[in-house]
Amino acid sequence: SQTIHQWPATLVQPVGSPLSLECTVEGTSNPNLYWYRQAAGRGLQLLFYSVGIGQISSEVPQNLSASRPQDRQFILSSKKLLLSDSGFYLCAWSVGDLHGYTFGSGTRLTVV
Amino acid sequence: GIQVEQSPPDLILQEGANSTLRCNFSDSVNNLQWFHQNPWGQLINLFYIPSGTKQNGRLSATTVATERYSLLYISSSQTTDSGVYFCAVVDYKLSFGAGTTVTVRA
Repeated sequence: SQTIHQWPATLVQPVGSPLSLECTVEGTSNPNLYWYRQAAGRGLQLLFYSVGIGQISSEVPQNLSASRPQDRQFILSSKKLLLSDSGFYLCAWSVGDLHGYTFGSGTRLTVV
Repeated sequence: GIQVEQSPPDLILQEGANSTLRCNFSDSVNNLQWFHQNPWGQLINLFYIPSGTKQNGRLSATTVATERYSLLYISSSQTTDSGVYFCAVVDYKLSFGAGTTVTVRA
């Protein structure tokens, strides 16, 4: 069966520090991968999506970047965090159009 | 992009009550998905439903794609049903509504 792993679960980082969040998927090949962000008390916003290795599409200009070095690995990064980067970050995967999207357990990031 | 509107924004229920959540969307979509976000933030898949009706235990969903809406029914609600329910529509990405916050009181 397919599983998605996301870590860390919680992260507190100072302003100006770098960020690296990792997401891996098991049990499937060639998934579409997504990074979403949820601000406190609000809906989910798509940040990046990827349809294959090295292929990244950005939905919202921001202080973040994404990379897909392997088929089932998706990384969210920042060189210098801002206070406004705080939020709940969720990774998701989908394959085709039959089973919908499945989300990881999320990383709660607080920038202080 | 496609606009997704959910109603009501908040819902308070007594345990055992039934309720209906609504999702309207502004354009044709490939598919539609309902999620429950639990208090720990985990998004749980409830239904992936482009049209018609599906049932899973006390929950059921109906999507009428031609009229651009979907309904989520919760019957005999329990305190564990509390959380935020999101509707999301699928074109090349998943676009979310703002959610309905459900509180079930014992």
